[in-house]
Amino acid sequence: EAQVTQNPRYLITVTGKKLTVTCSQNMNHEYMSWYRQDPGLGLRQIYYSMNVEVTDKGDVPEGYKVSRKEKRNFPLILESPSPNQTSLYFCASSPGLAEVYEQYFGPGTRLTVT
Amino acid sequence: AQKVTQAQTEISVVEKEDVTLDCVYETRDTTYYLFWYKQPPSGELVFLIRRNSFDEQNEISGRYSWNFQKSTSSFNFTITASQVVDSAVYFCALSEAGYRDDKIIFGKGTRLHILP
Repeated sequence: EAQVTQNPRYLITVTGKKLTVTCSQNMNHEYMSWYRQDPGLGLRQIYYSMNVEVTDKGDVPEGYKVSRKEKRNFPLILESPSPNQTSLYFCASSPGLAEVYEQYFGPGTRLTVT
Repeated sequence: AQKVTQAQTEISVVEKEDVTLDCVYETRDTTYYLFWYKQPPSGELVFLIRRNSFDEQNEISGRYSWNFQKSTSSFNFTITASQVVDSAVYFCALSEAGYRDDKIIFGKGTRLHILP
């Protein structure tokens, strides 16, 4: 089944404790992206990647890191999480943006930083 | 800069009524793409439609229809004969798909309540 998976789905952590949210897709998609969703703010793009070893900042990259060592994986790293990073995070992938296809979204990761 | 405005934060209609969700966008490019996504109460994001800037034809898919007007920079979404299952948050999104700018900007969403 074609899908985007994220782990963990729920995470409660404390300020400053490094964490990684994994994202994996099995559709051989080139484009992958991370979003955060906050009430009243909609979805905001954190980082995106056009292909392996190519990553770019979205609108809200501060406090986050990503890597794209393999085509299928695009982990989101919070080196020193803070309470303002409490949010619902979505990973997404698409075949590529040259044609700008639809994005396939993961189920979301709800992160709480205390 | 890119911008997507969904001025309607929340809408409530009675089942079987028609409802239109507005989306106004700003872009500097002549080539861009517009999307609508649905987020039902279960939380997942569901793709509804993609439209490129060169295709101004309106689209109909069952009870859903989309009106793309470049002259007013709008890409509105209409649900005809609404049903309770249409209750969700709907997001409009824009991508300029430029050479080095492949960001995707989402609007803040419109929460739609369909009342039985």
